[in-house]
Amino acid sequence: DVVLTQTPPTLLATIGQSVSISCRSSQSLLHSNGNTYLNWLLQRTGQSPQPLIYLVSKLESGVPNRFSGSGSGTDFTLKISGVEAEDLGVYYCMQFTHYPDTFGAGTKLELK
Amino acid sequence: EVQLQESGPGLVKPSQSLSLTCSVTGYSITSNYWGWIRKFPGNKMEWMGYISYSGSTSYNPSLKSRISITRDTSKNQFFLQLNSVTTEDTATYYCARTGSFDYWGQGVMVTVSS
Repeated sequence: DVVLTQTPPTLLATIGQSVSISCRSSQSLLHSNGNTYLNWLLQRTGQSPQPLIYLVSKLESGVPNRFSGSGSGTDFTLKISGVEAEDLGVYYCMQFTHYPDTFGAGTKLELK
Repeated sequence: EVQLQESGPGLVKPSQSLSLTCSVTGYSITSNYWGWIRKFPGNKMEWMGYISYSGSTSYNPSLKSRISITRDTSKNQFFLQLNSVTTEDTATYYCARTGSFDYWGQGVMVTVSS
């Protein structure tokens, strides 16, 4: 199975601070069709996972543009440019280029 | 708007079967892919499997001998059955549109305990 390693496991931030989360894959996530099936999700406490970004860098509808995704191959990054209180929760990267689909272990974003 | 809602018992005894239903509104399950994901205590997430628009299925190899995903297109519902459960199957179970993981249900917490 593809292993996704997320760092850091916990992220302490102040409101307005910019932060980044890394997601490294044990193998390239570039599919033979040219797409890279790497998504980012946010799970707030008591809620279901909310999709943020798909195909590495495309913003889901309704997601604020302070969120951005980048990367290729095996290294990917989620950046939040100016953390807001509603951004707190656990962030997951996930891949579905390779069977079976897998998830990172999560990064918990908390207020400092 | 696409909406998914899980339902099923919150408590299952060890060795029994876990059965959950996902009811979909706003989109036909005869299009796209529909699956189950679970989140264990401590944040670990696991993709369990999906049923496709045509009715074909794919399962996580870690569950292959115990899992079955079926559907009722007349009710726009799909189902999860997990056999021979143990306490390690205690988790929150989510259904989702897994073609792109863009729509998720609210989740149902299932505890396996005698």
